[in-house]
Amino acid sequence: QMRLQESGPGLMKPSETLSLTCTVSGASIRSFYWSWVRQPPGKGLEYIAYVYYTGSPNYNPSLKSRVTISEDTSKNQFSLKLSSVTVADTAVYYCARLAPWSFDVWGRGTLVTVSS
Amino acid sequence: QSALTQPASVSGSPGQSITISCTGTSSDVGGYNYVSWYQQHPGKVPKLMIYGVTNRPSGISDRFSGSKSGNTASLTISGLQPEDEADYYCSSYTSGTTLVIFGGGTKLTVL
Repeated sequence: QMRLQESGPGLMKPSETLSLTCTVSGASIRSFYWSWVRQPPGKGLEYIAYVYYTGSPNYNPSLKSRVTISEDTSKNQFSLKLSSVTVADTAVYYCARLAPWSFDVWGRGTLVTVSS
Repeated sequence: QSALTQPASVSGSPGQSITISCTGTSSDVGGYNYVSWYQQHPGKVPKLMIYGVTNRPSGISDRFSGSKSGNTASLTISGLQPEDEADYYCSSYTSGTTLVIFGGGTKLTVL
């Protein structure tokens, strides 16, 4: 059974760089598309980015200048970096498998709070 | 790209049927058969209910069905049950640079 588990810092200060990692078990990350989706408290879902190991990553244009998604096939993990965070980046961050074009397997999510 | 448009809320009584709409453009909903629907209970992880406009993943009740007409997709829930009370989100592939967009979400209340 495929499982995804996010790990992240929890609490951050404005202007810092957010680093999140998603560990995949039960499947090889070489075989599928992998993505990040976030949800600010009380608000809707927002697509951030996806990666496929043989192709170019794709980014939401609204975040593209600050976001990098990457894979580590040796650890069966993929990661997200979001630079220059602000309070508006406070959200639950989910990693998910993207079975083009639906998100069919989700991690439990990790809450990232940006506060001074 | 703008988010897909969903009603903020819908409601129904147990046993009834309700429909949630998801309106986009010819660049997303209307142009491709890649509309998905997600159910999210408070504090829980989104769950895929419909993919490819009409397809249900394994284990999803056949009370949930999807359809599309033009630039508007719809999720219909028949035989409403109390446990169906949740937020529902649509998403679609888009020919724009973002490739995937979500709707703003619809809160379903089972009266």
